[in-house]
Amino acid sequence: GAVVSQHPSRVICKSGTSVKIECRSLDFQATTMFWYRQFPKQSLMLMATSNEGSKATYEQGVEKDKFLINHASLTLSTLTVTSAHPEDSSFYICSATTGDQTEAFFGQGTRLTVV
Amino acid sequence: SQQGEEDPQALSIQEGENATMNCSYKTSINNLQWYRQNSGRGLVHLILIRSNEREKHSGRLRVTLDTSKKSSSLLITASRAADTASYFCATDLSSSNTGKLIFGQGTTLQVKP
Repeated sequence: GAVVSQHPSRVICKSGTSVKIECRSLDFQATTMFWYRQFPKQSLMLMATSNEGSKATYEQGVEKDKFLINHASLTLSTLTVTSAHPEDSSFYICSATTGDQTEAFFGQGTRLTVV
Repeated sequence: SQQGEEDPQALSIQEGENATMNCSYKTSINNLQWYRQNSGRGLVHLILIRSNEREKHSGRLRVTLDTSKKSSSLLITASRAADTASYFCATDLSSSNTGKLIFGQGTTLQVKP
């Protein structure tokens, strides 16, 4: 299957700082990428849909000014958690699809800890 | 809110036994997928079943789909300790297969050696 690489896998940051997470499709062009958030022992919650060259579409309840998404190319989407707080600590996972296939390919996830 | 509910939330079995997990969803779907997640890791795609299919097999996995009951089941036969993980069903609500998935709550499976 196609490979999606997410970086970093773990990050610890101080409250008030911003953290950028990258999601790259390594061997295909991803017209659409998705960002999910997962709290411990819970399921994945869709945060936003990222389309190359256009603004991201955020799910209800997700603050777009806090979670900045940029999909500048067909192989890269970034999620920036701005002014991070301890409650933003979570596991963030991206997925990517070409749009013409049914399977979405997931990154390895990023464990964010805000101290 | 999440689309699906899964049961059981947790399942513990002995190696060699079969494990069955169930997933229910609320709205019409285009397809339903099952994923596995090892602790703290990303998701691994297991199997996809389309809305016009009733059963699908892949190795030791068997998935059924009942659209009239809006439910699906995942059966893992002859389980192994390496099958220990969390299992999630996910539904793609769009008719154009965008890859936008809504996940169920998940079942945590423990297979004891």
